[in-house]
Amino acid sequence: QQQVKQSPQSLIVQKGGISIINCAYENTAFDYFPWYQQFPGKGPALLIAIRPDVSEKKEGRFTISFNKSAKQFSLHIMDSQPGDSATYFCAATSGNSGYALNFGKGTSLLVTP
Amino acid sequence: NAGVMQNPRHLVRRRGQEARLRCSPMKGHSHVYWYRQLPEEGLKFMVYLQKENIIDESGMPKERFSAEFPKEGPSILRIQQVVRGDSAAYFCASSPLAETYNEQFFGPGTRLTVL
Repeated sequence: QQQVKQSPQSLIVQKGGISIINCAYENTAFDYFPWYQQFPGKGPALLIAIRPDVSEKKEGRFTISFNKSAKQFSLHIMDSQPGDSATYFCAATSGNSGYALNFGKGTSLLVTP
Repeated sequence: NAGVMQNPRHLVRRRGQEARLRCSPMKGHSHVYWYRQLPEEGLKFMVYLQKENIIDESGMPKERFSAEFPKEGPSILRIQQVVRGDSAAYFCASSPLAETYNEQFFGPGTRLTVL
């Protein structure tokens, strides 16, 4: 079964706007939550990651918000740019699984000029 | 430092043939993960290997699929007697150490098409 649920499936945002992608998980053993960015024809690349001992992590225009009690985490892209247009995957893992990543189904983001 | 290399990038096989996908991890990385991406789906974990050892193959189909990571050479994902449902993008990722939260670096993938 899908261990990480991601929404929305697709997202259109105007340049300069905020893109928000949400993920939820059930397995309380998960303790590492990365976000990957994938361009067509390429492999996923790590964008930003968080551990549950913090509620927020920011790197440039990208912010992860983490709610441990709700078992939810989200990616915020501030000042979205056309170059951000890609597919974004959230993931979750733990040492118990050898750090094999459990991915959400992905969100296709289109940032319009 | 070259990234994770996968070859071939595209592979076409007829039903019943064998497919061999190769993955060379980044230099210094001894942990390899294989994932499969079906159309409109996220990546699904298949197998986790260290040199000469399969650590976790819980995501591998029970039949026709096998993986190895020999002491020398690339990691190989082998699919015997391919069927149309095997058509997908197969990605490998490598990591230097699995005991901590190290980034998994992904290769560009092999896109398998089964005719």
